[in-house]
Amino acid sequence: GAVVSQHPSRVICKSGTSVKIECRSLDFQATTMFWYRQFPKKSLMLMATSNEGSKATYEQGVEKDKFLINHASLTLSTLTVTSAHPEDSSFYICSARAIGQGDYEQYFGPGTRLTVT
Amino acid sequence: GQNIDQPTEMTATEGAIVQINCTYQTSGFNGLFWYQQHAGEAPTFLSYNVLDGLEEKGRFSSFLSRSKGYSYLLLKELQMKDSASYLCAVRDGDYKLSFGAGTTVTVRA
Repeated sequence: GAVVSQHPSRVICKSGTSVKIECRSLDFQATTMFWYRQFPKKSLMLMATSNEGSKATYEQGVEKDKFLINHASLTLSTLTVTSAHPEDSSFYICSARAIGQGDYEQYFGPGTRLTVT
Repeated sequence: GQNIDQPTEMTATEGAIVQINCTYQTSGFNGLFWYQQHAGEAPTFLSYNVLDGLEEKGRFSSFLSRSKGYSYLLLKELQMKDSASYLCAVRDGDYKLSFGAGTTVTVRA
């Protein structure tokens, strides 16, 4: 089945530093990847849609200069949280939609727990 | 935008049946999904409905009424491992998913 990985699974960083999170589709090519964040006991909130080779589309209220997204290949998208602050602490999840995938699923990565101290 | 409502919590006994309702108001509709999420983990796909009616998949079934903006997920023969959060999500024409807040189901022995 389709597998999506994320790295790292957990990261702790200091305020003001930047953190990069990778999302990889391991056994399929992804035309589109999505980035979500989730606060404790809350639902997933879509941050941005990432298409290979083009600029990401950000949801309203998401700062594109703070959350840099790069989708350099059909199997890799990265999210960089720049100048991180404690309020950026969250669970970040990516998902990928496969080329030629009919109607259906997005495949989710296992998530990255970011803690900013 | 999308407005998706589902109950916050439900409790049921092992072996019983639980029905989780989801109502939605959307600016575009291209399918409704149900996901299971255990704490600290990513969601896992359970079911997908795009046409009205019932989709059955083993112990899990999902129903959709597009005219009513309504879906439910039915969990039968509950097991302890079914204790989790269940997320209702609506997809729009751009394949973007909007999630409800999730329903935490607790299965008791």
